[in-house]
Amino acid sequence: EIVLTQSPGTLSLSPGERATLSCRASQSVSSSYLAWYQQKPGQAPRLLIYGTSNRATAIPDRFSGSGSGTDFTLTISRLEPEDFAVYYCQQYGSSYTFGQGTKLEIK
Amino acid sequence: QLQLQESGPGLVKPSETLSLTCTVSGDSISSTNYYWAWIRQSPGKGLEWLGSIHNSGSPLYNPSLNSRVTISVDTSKNHFSLKLSSVTAADTAVYYCARDGGLVATVPFDYWGQGTLVSVSS
Repeated sequence: EIVLTQSPGTLSLSPGERATLSCRASQSVSSSYLAWYQQKPGQAPRLLIYGTSNRATAIPDRFSGSGSGTDFTLTISRLEPEDFAVYYCQQYGSSYTFGQGTKLEIK
Repeated sequence: QLQLQESGPGLVKPSETLSLTCTVSGDSISSTNYYWAWIRQSPGKGLEWLGSIHNSGSPLYNPSLNSRVTISVDTSKNHFSLKLSSVTAADTAVYYCARDGGLVATVPFDYWGQGTLVSVSS
C-alpha cells in the first residue's frame, strides 16, 4: 500500500498570503494519478486537482498542483477567506489511498 | 447536475452487517463508463476507500477490507449498494458514495454524496 504523508499538519496563514502544502508518497506515484481535495466542516471532500496539475471543473486558478515521483505540492497563490479548510492528497495509481490531511487555518 | 444520496440505518449492532444504498440522479449509471465508489471517514483512520463498482457489475475492493465488503449495482433503480459484514466499533464513520473516474478517465472522485454517519453500538 502506498502511504501518503502530508505536511505540515496545520498551516496558519492570513488572507492574501501564499499557501504551500506538501504530500510525500512512500513509493513513486504516476503523475497521472495524484489528486487533491478540499474539505470544509460538515461537507464532503471536493475535488480540486487531478493528474497532479489539472484543475477540476469550476476550481479557481489560484489553486495549482505540481510534483512528480514521491513529492507533490498544492499551492494556493493568494488565500481567500473561503480557502481555510482541510486539504487531502490522494493517489489512485495503485489502489486508492489518502493522506492524513493538512488543516489550513486563519492566522 | 449529477447528484448522489446515501441512505440506510444510522445505527448497527456489533457483529451485524452494515447496509447502505447510494441513489444517483441527473444521469444514468448504465449510460456511463464510470465506476461508483464507497469511501468512509473516521477520526481514527481518516479517509478510506472501501471499493468501487462498474455498471457491468465488476467490483474492486480495498484489500484491507476485501473479505468483509460487498458492493453491488442495480441499474434499473439507478443505485449501488454497500454491505460491510461483522462490524465493530472501528467501523463507526461517515460513509460517502462518489463517482469514480480514476480508472477510466484519470479523474477520481469528482461527485460525492453528502455522507451518512453510521455508528456501531449495542
